[in-house]
Amino acid sequence: EAGVAQSPRYKIIEKRQSVAFWCNPISGHATLYWYQQILGQGPKLLIQFQNNGVVDDSQLPKDRFSAERLKGVDSTLKIQPAKLEDSAVYLCASSPIGLVNEQFFGPGTRLTVL
Amino acid sequence: DAKTTQPTSMDCAEGRAANLPCNHSTISGNEYVYWYRQIHSQGPQYIIHGLKNNETNEMASLIITEDRKSSTLILPHATLRDTAVYYCIVRVVEYGNKLVFGAGTILRVKS
Repeated sequence: EAGVAQSPRYKIIEKRQSVAFWCNPISGHATLYWYQQILGQGPKLLIQFQNNGVVDDSQLPKDRFSAERLKGVDSTLKIQPAKLEDSAVYLCASSPIGLVNEQFFGPGTRLTVL
Repeated sequence: DAKTTQPTSMDCAEGRAANLPCNHSTISGNEYVYWYRQIHSQGPQYIIHGLKNNETNEMASLIITEDRKSSTLILPHATLRDTAVYYCIVRVVEYGNKLVFGAGTILRVKS
């Protein structure tokens, strides 16, 4: 079974530039998550989709971050404009519908903002 | 969701059992205990979860105390590849399936 795919794996940008990350979840998984992981910390949930609807985006900085999941499959996360503090690993995860089901994580995209 | 407390780091000799403790003294009756781990430069990986009974799978065993205020993840024969950050997470089982990660325990398996 193919895992969660993410691209790019690494990205370096200047502050105030824009950047986009892509995620393709495991086939059949209805729920998709984007996490931000700052060095030395655990992942923090940014947004959660159920199919193409948003379940939780309470910790998404909506003035600069946006995410979409058109057609309920793959998803993009965008930052515009980026700040230095956005330097982090951005992780995508997916899970099947269910109350206790495990989440499967992708390898992440490491973003460096200079 | 209840908060968890884990040691910052632990060492374990290769081939020995690694016992990772987690305190969750404010856990409520409908909260499960989950364990994930994150190997360097990879995304987190699910290990195991439980409600009140001890659980075992091919990766590990989860021992939950009778009062459910603490638990221990056991890797029976640790290898160098088990070196990772281990996260203990307590989660209410409800629609949304949200996980809240803390800082975790850095486990170093040494030869």
